[in-house]
Amino acid sequence: EAGVAQSPRYKIIEKRQSVAFWCNPISGHATLYWYQQILGQGPKLLIQFQNNGVVDDSQLPKDRFSAERLKGVDSTLKIQPAKLEDSAVYLCASSSNQGGQAFFGQGTRLTVV
Amino acid sequence: DQQVKQNSPSLSVQEGRISILNCDYTNSMFDYFLWYKKYPAEGPTFLISISSIKDKNEDGRFTVFLNKSAKHLSLHIVPSQPGDSAVYFCAARESNYQLIWGAGTKLIIKP
Repeated sequence: EAGVAQSPRYKIIEKRQSVAFWCNPISGHATLYWYQQILGQGPKLLIQFQNNGVVDDSQLPKDRFSAERLKGVDSTLKIQPAKLEDSAVYLCASSSNQGGQAFFGQGTRLTVV
Repeated sequence: DQQVKQNSPSLSVQEGRISILNCDYTNSMFDYFLWYKKYPAEGPTFLISISSIKDKNEDGRFTVFLNKSAKHLSLHIVPSQPGDSAVYFCAARESNYQLIWGAGTKLIIKP
């Protein structure tokens, strides 16, 4: 069974630039999560989708972050414009249902300079 | 305000001995607790969990203990092996299924 796929693996951008991350969850998984993990901290949930609907985006900085899962399968997370404090690993995870075991991708390491 | 705390950033244990990783929480409404293991450049992988109505769950070399009165849980690994060297995250589940994560403990198993 293929795992959660994320791309790119690494990205370096200058502040005020924009960036997009892509995630393809495990086939058939209805729930998709985007987490932000800053160095030395645990993952923090940014947004949770159930199929193509948003379940929770309370911690998403909506003035600069956006995410979509239009067809209920893969998802993109965008940051525009990026700030230095956005430097982190962005993890995508999926589960078969809400509350089910989450499987994580390898993450995208973003460095904003 | 951290609801889930892992106070030890790192832990070094001799191969073959017991590793004990600790986690404290503040919210008594958490209904499930999970441990994840993370290797460098990989995403976290699920290790073991425990429901709030239990005080112990065992899976092979891994045992998780929950002390609700103390709002404390611990992960025991016996015997510790070199492949256990990783960062271990404790996470607690809220009623809306959201996970609140600790900062992680880096476990180093010495040969």
